[in-house]
Amino acid sequence: EVQLVESGGGLVQPGGSLRLSCAASGFTFRGYDMHWVRQTTGRGLEWVSTISSAGDTYYPVSVKGRFTISREKATNTLYLQMNSLRAGDTAVYYCARGNDYGGTPTMDVWGQGTTVSVSS
Amino acid sequence: QSVLTQPPSASGTPGQGVTISCSGGSSNIGRNTVNWYQQLPGTAPKLLIYSNNQRPSGVPDRFSGSKSRTSASLAISGLQSEDEADYYCAARDDSLNGVLFGGGTKLTVL
Repeated sequence: EVQLVESGGGLVQPGGSLRLSCAASGFTFRGYDMHWVRQTTGRGLEWVSTISSAGDTYYPVSVKGRFTISREKATNTLYLQMNSLRAGDTAVYYCARGNDYGGTPTMDVWGQGTTVSVSS
Repeated sequence: QSVLTQPPSASGTPGQGVTISCSGGSSNIGRNTVNWYQQLPGTAPKLLIYSNNQRPSGVPDRFSGSKSRTSASLAISGLQSEDEADYYCAARDDSLNGVLFGGGTKLTVL
């Protein structure tokens, strides 16, 4: 069964750091692009980062320079290192597998999400 | 514009059809394909439509997608109570160099 399981969320103070993990199973992890997407109560879904199968990384302006996506192919694990956290980063964070049909990246498998709360 | 606009809500009665729109611009829908995601209450999003009008295996053919210039639509026919969910469109935005999501449409089956 294809599965993604996130972990690492929690409560952190503004300015703090957190590392999220996403354990992948049931597919050839190294062959797929992977994504992080977050969901806030008021703002819906927001793309957070992408790492290609080749290791290229992409971020929106809102997190660039603060978040770092990485992957460990030996353990089939995706990571999101989040630094200088702000209240606006409070959200449920999902990892998702990317499938390339050309055009828009397609997120065809999603994890269950992990909750990050940034508050003093 | 680097925004995908969806109506916040839509509704229909069982058996009816409903259409959800997604309006974008030349840097996103105008140049790239559109995907649609369904999010049932309390669950993660699920891929519903990809490449404008393709259904992943397991998605009923009651769901269909279309795209025209800078807009896209998701049509649901024969509404069922289990279709009550939030629906999001998504498209790559060339200015963002990443994926843009619509604000979501909450579908209520009356």
